[in-house]
Amino acid sequence: GAVVSQHPSWVICKSGTSVKIECRSLDFQATTMFWYRQFPKQSLMLMATSNEGSKATYEQGVEKDKFLINHASLTLSTLTVTSAHPEDSSFYICSALTPGTYNQPQHFGDGTRLSIL
Amino acid sequence: GESVGLHLPTLSVQEGDNSIINCAYSNSASDYFIWYKQESGKGPQFIIDIRSNMDKRQGQRVTVLLNKTVKHLSLQIAATQPGDSAVYFCAENNYGQNFVFGPGTRLSVLP
Repeated sequence: GAVVSQHPSWVICKSGTSVKIECRSLDFQATTMFWYRQFPKQSLMLMATSNEGSKATYEQGVEKDKFLINHASLTLSTLTVTSAHPEDSSFYICSALTPGTYNQPQHFGDGTRLSIL
Repeated sequence: GESVGLHLPTLSVQEGDNSIINCAYSNSASDYFIWYKQESGKGPQFIIDIRSNMDKRQGQRVTVLLNKTVKHLSLQIAATQPGDSAVYFCAENNYGQNFVFGPGTRLSVLP
């Protein structure tokens, strides 16, 4: 149980393009989802916390107009990288928490590798 | 292992030996800790967790030890196998706040 699916797994696009990444909880409802960014040989860096039906909470230094997050349903959160540039190239990973849980692990998707040419 | 700039600490062990991966956490108020395994090109995979009211928890071939006095967490893997090769992250959580991930340690299993 607690499967999180992320799509696409890999995307290559030209500079200036906007890219949407989907994160779905397949067998549970997730009121809270998280978006992380990971550079090579580094740890996960939290970008934002996405709560169903409300605005996302962004971490300091993360541009909310650059990284648009939508969590319109209990099973889907999307991250849109707007007008992407080469410096946005990275590995983006989402995770989800089952609702009403405390002291439970996050369930991660398999990540999206974004390459901007 | 400790983070040294952008270099990921690496632990190399012989197949069949036991592995011990260490993590120093930052918040003395953290009450929940997790170890994740991340294989290349994939998302982190849950291995084992422990709450702050415990100092040891065992799973299948894995044991997590928690020393709150020195804010130290360790993951022990018994009879390490080639499939255990990955990057391992510890994560701490403070009463439902956001998880904070450690810098990670790369485990290489030698044949």
